Amino acid sequence: AQTVTQSQPEMSVQEAETVTLSCTYDTSENNYYLFWYKQPPSRQMILVIRQEAYKQQNATENRFSVNFQKAAKSFSLKISDSQLGDTAMYFCAFMSFFNTNAGKSTFGDGTTLTVKP
Amino acid sequence: DGGITQSPKYLFRKEGQNVTLSCEQNLNHDAMYWYRQDPGQGLRLIYYSQIVNDFQKGDIAEGYSVSREKKESFPLTVTSAQKNPTAFYLCASSSRTEYNEQFFGPGTRLTVL
Repeated sequence: AQTVTQSQPEMSVQEAETVTLSCTYDTSENNYYLFWYKQPPSRQMILVIRQEAYKQQNATENRFSVNFQKAAKSFSLKISDSQLGDTAMYFCAFMSFFNTNAGKSTFGDGTTLTVKP
Repeated sequence: DGGITQSPKYLFRKEGQNVTLSCEQNLNHDAMYWYRQDPGQGLRLIYYSQIVNDFQKGDIAEGYSVSREKKESFPLTVTSAQKNPTAFYLCASSSRTEYNEQFFGPGTRLTVL
């Protein structure tokens, strides 16, 4: 069974600064997807960024980028130029690619990020 | 507009009653999912379905049941066997072709009195 661990329950950052959220996972699979989702106070889950395990290049999406270390099973999220609207709970998620478990996903417990003015 | 709808937003039920949560999508997605979220915690997978008339148990399926008779719909029934049903329930869907991004509904807050 896959597990996803987010070791930072809460973090804060000053507006315009950079923050990194940590995520580690455990799996015996070789091909899979990794995601970071954002859940603002409205509770609507929104995709922030995704990474395919077979791609070595780290994904980037505007101010958001990841540091994907497959051997270490680490998938951290870096938010640059933090904005007040980035305040939310952030979830790291793993999705199986393997046929019998295809589509099955596992989420971490989340990191609550507060951006301070 | 394409998206996922869940109804109702808030639901109150008496202990011992079964209750069904609705989830509908018009994104033409094959895969659909149900998650439970407790306060301050992550999402736990209840059931998921990759195709019509087929579904698999997730990590916490006990006390829940689902059906997938139509591609667009994936209702979740919380039965009286679920010992602590009060929680926030999220439905999601994704393209089965790539098993990529999951699109989430707005959620249903279930409170059992």
